Amino acid sequence: GNSVTQMEGPVTLSEEAFLTINCTYTATGYPSLFWYVQYPGEGLQLLLKATKADDKGSNKGFEATYRKETTSFHLEKGSVQVSDSAVYFCALSGAVSARQLTFGSGTQLTVLP
Amino acid sequence: EADIYQTPRYLVIGTGKKITLECSQTMGHDKMYWYQQDPGMELHLIHYSYGVNSTEKGDLSSESTVSRIRTEHFPLTLESARPSHTSQYLCASSDDPDRGGRDTEAFFGQGTRLTVV
Repeated sequence: GNSVTQMEGPVTLSEEAFLTINCTYTATGYPSLFWYVQYPGEGLQLLLKATKADDKGSNKGFEATYRKETTSFHLEKGSVQVSDSAVYFCALSGAVSARQLTFGSGTQLTVLP
Repeated sequence: EADIYQTPRYLVIGTGKKITLECSQTMGHDKMYWYQQDPGMELHLIHYSYGVNSTEKGDLSSESTVSRIRTEHFPLTLESARPSHTSQYLCASSDDPDRGGRDTEAFFGQGTRLTVV
């Protein structure tokens, strides 16, 4: 079945530091890949997505590239801000049939001023 | 902005009470989901639906039940709440690419935080 393995947290960074959150997946076929963000007390919001190999998703300074050869979709940001503090989830949507989303376990990011 | 709504946002209720958590979306999505989120943040799929009159149990066993009588509405019911049901419940919806939907991203409601005392 499909699975997503996400970098263990929590991650604590100083403002303006470089961020990487690793995500690898297992799936048959060609899944779509997503990063979601959850701010305290809220539901999940889509941060970025990529639907085919070598696609780069980007939003709000965050980027992730769909790497089929390494089955990875690592999230990066060059300079984090305090307002980026949140929980980040990597997810994939069915390769063969999108019967359901599969989420990673989430990574808590705290950015200190 | 996502048009998916959950009510109530917060609920504190006594053991043994029956509760229904409401979820509605106005995007015409066929697929809807209920997730339970534990304090460690991990999301557990407890129910999903492909469309009207379709419901399936998810990966995590749950004593809750769901119904899908209308496309836009996917309520979750607990017949007899217990302290072990205390959690955050998240509802989501998405297009169905198997039926030619545009995209497979899910849109989430803001969640219901349930506390059973």
